[in-house]
Amino acid sequence: DGGITQSPKYLFRKEGQNVTLSCEQNLNHDAMYWYRQDPGQGLRLIYYSQIVNDFQKGDIAEGYSVSREKKESFPLTVTSAQKNPTAFYLCASRQRGYGQPQHFGDGTRLSIL
Amino acid sequence: GQQVMQIPQYQHVQEGEDFTTYCNSSTTLSNIQWYKQRPGGHPVFLIQLVKSGEVKKQKRLTFQFGEAKKNSSLHITATQTTDVGTYFCAVPGGSGGGADGLTFGKGTHLIIQP
Repeated sequence: DGGITQSPKYLFRKEGQNVTLSCEQNLNHDAMYWYRQDPGQGLRLIYYSQIVNDFQKGDIAEGYSVSREKKESFPLTVTSAQKNPTAFYLCASRQRGYGQPQHFGDGTRLSIL
Repeated sequence: GQQVMQIPQYQHVQEGEDFTTYCNSSTTLSNIQWYKQRPGGHPVFLIQLVKSGEVKKQKRLTFQFGEAKKNSSLHITATQTTDVGTYFCAVPGGSGGGADGLTFGKGTHLIIQP
């Protein structure tokens, strides 16, 4: 979607390495989300943030960390503790409030070297 | 927490045939949203249903919300190759990101054979 930029598009991680996925939005949305999608699977929530300087764990937060220092930015770090990081990572944002749709970025494909 | 079951997981059709995917919840929903994800792409919002028994159409796509607001369906008439992708429903609440977040179904993968 226009307005949410994820980078890089492809990323490779070596064993024992932390990597950070970028997500920036200019939609002035309060809430931001990180999802993991494995081949042929649905969306699993990693972390979410409803306001600056606050974030909450989703269903599969172990091995990941986030920060929300600015409204526009919600970077995700995949740490070495995440033993199976190969997946498609999607960032999303939405205006807070019931019934608001989510807008997704183009995603980052992370693979292990 | 809120859960939604989506079936079928995969659907193979011949081009020109119809396609339907269903979402079912054990609890009454305030609304339901539908998204489409093309292969290699990201989910894109299609529509939201709010009213009991609501039916909305977008060209060949027909969306329905059940009378009890516990189930919903997406029907595509005369599928085309451009319809290929995964269709997700999403409902409010659950573990999907706070009180006003969304919980997504696992999706239905539509595969079209020319």
